[in-house]
Amino acid sequence: GENVEQHPSTLSVQEGDSAVIKCTYSDSASNYFPWYKQELGKRPQLIIDIRSNVGEKKDQRIAVTLNKTAKHFSLHITETQPEDSAVYFCAAPYYSGGGADGLTFGKGTHLIIQP
Amino acid sequence: NAGVTQTPKFRILKIGQSMTLQCTQDMNHNYMYWYRQDPGMGLKLIYYSVGAGITDKGEVPNGYNVSRSTTEDFPLRLELAAPSQTSVYFCASTLPPADTQYFGPGTRLTVL
Repeated sequence: GENVEQHPSTLSVQEGDSAVIKCTYSDSASNYFPWYKQELGKRPQLIIDIRSNVGEKKDQRIAVTLNKTAKHFSLHITETQPEDSAVYFCAAPYYSGGGADGLTFGKGTHLIIQP
Repeated sequence: NAGVTQTPKFRILKIGQSMTLQCTQDMNHNYMYWYRQDPGMGLKLIYYSVGAGITDKGEVPNGYNVSRSTTEDFPLRLELAAPSQTSVYFCASTLPPADTQYFGPGTRLTVL
């Protein structure tokens, strides 16, 4: 199965600043990379995903970049707001290829937005 | 649509007891999954199913069993519960060729 490493484990930023979370993966055949946000006691919610045929994808203040050669992908949040405080997880397919056969998750990043 | 629903929300088991965690989805998704999430950790895949009558192991299947008799339901069975199975269990589903997984609200299980 895939191995996903996520850094940092905790990230504290001032409100309005940008936050970047990085992940690496091991299986070069992986082609789907989602990011999930999880608030305390709640289920994971998909916030953005990227497939291996593109290098970057944006959705308002959130963007994800993918470097297939280096096997890493990153989440970028700009103009951070208090409601961005949560735990963020990256993921990659557990089996080679797409994510429909299950995902393997990073250990999570606790993002803290300081007022 | 209710999406993915799970019961119960909370449960406390004694060592050696057994129980079934229920998961139902009303989106006609043929792929379903069970994950566990230990405190401060990411989710780990226990089992998944690509359709009625078909199941397969994930990363951490030991101590669990699943069945898939209908498209809607994917129950997870714990036999001989152990403290190491204390965790939050999430069920999810998707409809290929999409990869987006939709999660249920979770079941918090404590084994004492």
